[in-house]
Amino acid sequence: AQTVTQSQPEMSVQEAETVTLSCTYDTSENNYYLFWYKQPPSRQMILVIRQEAYKQQNATENRFSVNFQKAAKSFSLKISDSQLGDTAMYFCAFMKRVSGTYKYIFGTGTRLKVLA
Amino acid sequence: NAGVTQTPKFRILKIGQSMTLQCTQDMNHNYMYWYRQDPGMGLKLIYYSVGAGITDKGEVPNGYNVSRSTTEDFPLRLELAAPSQTSVYFCASSYSAGANTGELFFGEGSRLTVL
Repeated sequence: AQTVTQSQPEMSVQEAETVTLSCTYDTSENNYYLFWYKQPPSRQMILVIRQEAYKQQNATENRFSVNFQKAAKSFSLKISDSQLGDTAMYFCAFMKRVSGTYKYIFGTGTRLKVLA
Repeated sequence: NAGVTQTPKFRILKIGQSMTLQCTQDMNHNYMYWYRQDPGMGLKLIYYSVGAGITDKGEVPNGYNVSRSTTEDFPLRLELAAPSQTSVYFCASSYSAGANTGELFFGEGSRLTVL
């Protein structure tokens, strides 16, 4: 069975600095997707970044980038130039296609606080 | 664009009561999901649907029921509410194919307390 582990329950970072959130996963699959979702306080969860396992190149979305290490089963999220609006709960998620639908496994989340 | 809309946002139930959480999406997504989020835990899948008329159980379906009579709507019914069902519930939807494959679009969540 797949598992997703986020070992940092809480983190804080000064505004404008860089922070890295860790995520490891366990799977025997070769084809899958990895995601980081952001859940701001009292707001909807939204996608931050996605990575297809077959792609070696790390995904990047503006200030957000990932370090995807497939052999090590590691998928960390780097936030550069942190902003107050980055304060949120961040969830790492593993997804694979199963019997005509998608199966997701979520980590327990990392609560990030950006300090002014 | 409304996206995924859930109602109600908050509800307090007494043990044994029943209620329905409503979920509707306007993105014409085939796939829809109900998750629950407990403190310190990741999201757990309750039920999912791959299209109108088709539903299936997720990891934690006991005490819940769903229906999918249209592409847009995917209500979650709680029968005989129990304190263990106190949680935050999220409805989500996704494309079934294409460039955005796999991205989940979430509702704002429904916080349910059973006393």
